[in-house]
Amino acid sequence: ETGVTQTPRHLVMGMTNKKSLKCEQHLGHNAMYWYKQSAKKPLELMFVYNFKEQTENNSVPSRFSPECPNSSHLFLHLHTLQPEDSALYLCASSQDPGTGDEKLFFGSGTQLSVL
Amino acid sequence: GQNIDQPTEMTATEGAIVQINCTYQTSGFNGLFWYQQHAGEAPTFLSYNVLDGLEEKGRFSSFLSRSKGYSYLLLKELQMKDSASYLCAVRDSNYQLIWGAGTKLIIKP
Repeated sequence: ETGVTQTPRHLVMGMTNKKSLKCEQHLGHNAMYWYKQSAKKPLELMFVYNFKEQTENNSVPSRFSPECPNSSHLFLHLHTLQPEDSALYLCASSQDPGTGDEKLFFGSGTQLSVL
Repeated sequence: GQNIDQPTEMTATEGAIVQINCTYQTSGFNGLFWYQQHAGEAPTFLSYNVLDGLEEKGRFSSFLSRSKGYSYLLLKELQMKDSASYLCAVRDSNYQLIWGAGTKLIIKP
């Protein structure tokens, strides 16, 4: 399989649940990202990992906890979420985040609903 | 603050031409991207502009004017499969990507 794969595609959870989103990239890239996409809003960058090291955390609440065990895998652990956290969560990868023309390769996302 | 503006929704007819505009106010500029996102799918890269002018790639072209803080994506010979959201993003002086909210393009037969 090629590209960026995200699982699950859909997730419904209660506010007291704990769940994890998984992302895997088969492109040999060095950087991986989590984005939040809400309807009619710009993409919000949540976390960036470069060579497995977290390089950005954009003031994301602690109920979101990322994990990057290697350059190919990225997880987003979720616990005690709020209804306003319902959104599409996109994973992306790129070869070298330091260059201007660096383009992102996205997965299809996990559509999360918090009840 | 930094801001990207693009129309929320546009409608066009199959076979026609449509222009999707994007204006930006950012702290510096290191390139502008257009991505296409079909409903329920991943955004995919369409184009990158860093110098003024028009970049043509098949039926799609992207234009940039840095002095005006303006770009457009031009789609020719529209096909039904072009129905999607089109995302504009600018890389600022810190190499951060600033995203617009996207333009939903509806193609009618």
